[in-house]
Amino acid sequence: NAGVMQNPRHLVRRRGQEARLRCSPMKGHSHVYWYRQLPEEGLKFMVYLQKENIIDESGMPKERFSAEFPKEGPSILRIQQVVRGDSAAYFCASSPRLSGANVLTFGAGSRLTVL
Amino acid sequence: QQQVKQSPQSLIVQKGGIPIINCAYENTAFDYFPWYQQFPGKGPALLIAIRPDVSEKKEGRFTISFNKSAKQFSLHIMDSQPGDSATYFCAASSDAGNNRKLIWGLGTSLAVNP
Repeated sequence: NAGVMQNPRHLVRRRGQEARLRCSPMKGHSHVYWYRQLPEEGLKFMVYLQKENIIDESGMPKERFSAEFPKEGPSILRIQQVVRGDSAAYFCASSPRLSGANVLTFGAGSRLTVL
Repeated sequence: QQQVKQSPQSLIVQKGGIPIINCAYENTAFDYFPWYQQFPGKGPALLIAIRPDVSEKKEGRFTISFNKSAKQFSLHIMDSQPGDSATYFCAASSDAGNNRKLIWGLGTSLAVNP
């Protein structure tokens, strides 16, 4: 069981470019969460997805950020026209379909640096 | 406004010491209090969690103490080891089973010297 796989681990973008971060949940997990961790801050919930459904995107910035979890393939967090303030670690976590408990398994994160 | 306040920001102890990390919360609706451990370059991993119906929970060398009236909970690490050096996050949730509702503390960076 490979766990939650995120890639790329490190991504450097210039202002105005697009960043795409990928997350493959643990085998058997159908719920995916994205969190952002800014320097010197705790994790902030961004979005919660199931296959082909965005369940809760209340933590997503209104502009430039989008997420998807297609029927096939990984979940993708997309940031358009990146700005320096987007520099952060982005963590994906997954949980089982009927977890009933707050058991999240996190990936190692994708660290985005915007120059 | 930080709903879960964690302290200290950083902590250094000698091997064998008992580091204590504290968290305080305001929302009395919180009913689930996990601690996560994060090593450099890794994602957080659930360490131990408690619900408000108990005042203490132990798992190995890790203990959560919970004070409902004071709205505080803390993590104690017994016989700390250099391998415990990591960042520790407390969190709280008002909806058990709903991961979206987890509110995280800012983290405590723990260093255990040999």
